[in-house]
Amino acid sequence: SAVISQKPSRDICQRGTSLTIQCQVDSQVTMMFWYRQQPGQSLTLIATANQGSEATYESGFVIDKFPISRPNLTFSTLTVSNMSPEDSSIYLCSFDRANTGELFFGEGSRLTVL
Amino acid sequence: KQEVTQIPAALSVPEGENLVLNCSFTDSAIYNLQWFRQDPGKGLTSLLLIQSSQREQTSGRLNASLDKSSGRSTLYIAASQPGDSATYLCAVSKTGNKLVFGAGTILRVKS
Repeated sequence: SAVISQKPSRDICQRGTSLTIQCQVDSQVTMMFWYRQQPGQSLTLIATANQGSEATYESGFVIDKFPISRPNLTFSTLTVSNMSPEDSSIYLCSFDRANTGELFFGEGSRLTVL
Repeated sequence: KQEVTQIPAALSVPEGENLVLNCSFTDSAIYNLQWFRQDPGKGLTSLLLIQSSQREQTSGRLNASLDKSSGRSTLYIAASQPGDSATYLCAVSKTGNKLVFGAGTILRVKS
């Protein structure tokens, strides 16, 4: 089965700065997904990242705040821009293995914004 | 808009008990339903995937059922162990990939 890794695993950031989270899968996947899990809450989909096209964002999320790159079929990045304490969350990437509909998740990146 | 509800929000049981976690969803037009486990501060581990045409899936001590028409799924854990302590998340998909998650059930199995 494919392995998915994220980095950083955690970080403490200052208000107003930006941080880029990397997600690497050890096999080629068509779609990758970025989710956010705010403290004490469940997961919410931020956007879907396809290789070779712009990411598709869910309602309430915009490209200026969460720019996403998908340069190839094994890698994606999510940037959290101009961070505020409200952005303190766990950010998780996921992929759909072999288009089975079964999603697999990375370990997540825990961001704390001071 | 799809909404997923999980009951109970938290559950504490002694080791060895059989238990049932419940998940309900408002829009029965789903493609599949997936159960995950999340340990504190960690990512999600996929437990079971049920396609919309299936009634149940089993993996070891876990059994998940799906009643699509009534918008319900249950996760049955047999002979619970302290290592089962985690948050269990139910998620449904209309398209086969984008998931809508419930808030989860926090399970604690006491030794």
